[in-house]
Amino acid sequence: GENVEQHPSTLSVQEGDSAVIKCTYSDSASNYFPWYKQELGKGPQLIIDIRSNVGEKKDQRIAVTLNKTAKHFSLHITETQPEDSAVYFCALTWGTGNQFYFGTGTSLTVIP
Amino acid sequence: DAGVIQSPRHEVTEMGQEVTLRCKPISGHDYLFWYRQTMMRGLELLIYFNNNVPIDDSGMPEDRFSAKMPNASFSTLKIQPSEPRDSAVYFCASSLAPGGYTFGSGTRLTVV
Repeated sequence: GENVEQHPSTLSVQEGDSAVIKCTYSDSASNYFPWYKQELGKGPQLIIDIRSNVGEKKDQRIAVTLNKTAKHFSLHITETQPEDSAVYFCALTWGTGNQFYFGTGTSLTVIP
Repeated sequence: DAGVIQSPRHEVTEMGQEVTLRCKPISGHDYLFWYRQTMMRGLELLIYFNNNVPIDDSGMPEDRFSAKMPNASFSTLKIQPSEPRDSAVYFCASSLAPGGYTFGSGTRLTVV
């Protein structure tokens, strides 16, 4: 299967600062890259996604960038708030997008 | 829509017992996925269905695991006999391909 590496595994930031999480992959055929947020005791929830024909996508304080040449994509959270504290997973798929491969997760802590 | 509904939320069972996990996907979604989440291995895809038909069960750990989808609104994951190493959080997710999954809240299984 596809190899997805996610870094860092843990991240602590002060409230108001930015957080960046990066994922790298190996299969150039990958064409869909979602990001999930998992809060304690809950299932992962889709927060933003990007397709391979787009380089960047923004949704309020969240953005995702994709570098297809270098085979990496990143999640950017600006003006972080304590409620952003959670585990974040990157994922990817290709073709018809039926099967996702997930990164190993990043535990983000926003310190008030 | 109530989202993906999983039951039970928590299950504690003794080694050797049969365990059945249940999932109701979002109405209209034609893909259903079963994932297992552990600290050591992260999110692992066990099996997925398309239009109630199992498409890929290569992630099912061994013959003790089985999954069925008798109709579009219900799926089960069964472990028989259960072992302590099966302890994990099991997630069901559904999607209307192509696109992001919607996960359920998970079943936390503890086998003692």
